[in-house]
Amino acid sequence: GNSVTQMEGPVTLSEEAFLTINCTYTATGYPSLFWYVQYPGEGLQLLLKATKADDKGSNKGFEATYRKETTSFHLEKGSVQVSDSAVYFCALSDRSGGGSQGNLIFGKGTKLSVKP
Amino acid sequence: DSGVTQTPKHLITATGQRVTLRCSPRSGDLSVYWYQQSLDQGLQFLIQYYNGEERAKGNILERFSAQQFPDLHSELNLSSLELGDSALYFCASSVEVGQETQYFGPGTRLLVL
Repeated sequence: GNSVTQMEGPVTLSEEAFLTINCTYTATGYPSLFWYVQYPGEGLQLLLKATKADDKGSNKGFEATYRKETTSFHLEKGSVQVSDSAVYFCALSDRSGGGSQGNLIFGKGTKLSVKP
Repeated sequence: DSGVTQTPKHLITATGQRVTLRCSPRSGDLSVYWYQQSLDQGLQFLIQYYNGEERAKGNILERFSAQQFPDLHSELNLSSLELGDSALYFCASSVEVGQETQYFGPGTRLLVL
């Protein structure tokens, strides 16, 4: 079935460092891909998404490109801030049932800590 | 604020008990999803409703059930609770089935003692 694999954390970076969080997926068909962020004590917030191959999603300085040839959707940011400390989840929309139900399949999450 | 509300925020109960979690979707959203977040299983899809009807089921135990009411709010019922049911339960909503951008509520943290 469909699945998402993302790099294990935790990831600890200094402020202004470059961030990459790897995400690869296995899916039938052509799912949409998402990054969600969960700040401490809060629910999940949509960070960015891409709906087809070669699309680039971007928001708040974060970017991810839908790469069908490598089945990847890596999250990047050029210069992280302390306020970016959170857990990041890669997800895909599950269309394996043949319908358009759209429920999400998540990776296990990567905890990012940014030190001043 | 996503516009999705969940109550209660925290729930502490004992094994064998039954609880009900409530979710109100964003205004205008017809589709509601329930997810469970636990340390060992991560985030897992439980069940989806659209305009009052069940649309998809994930890894939902038989002890768990849900429904969506005419006013579109949804309830997740957990019965015969076990220690392993302790988790964060999220509700999400979207405009339509297949409208894949989902907006998540703040979650209900359930602790079973």
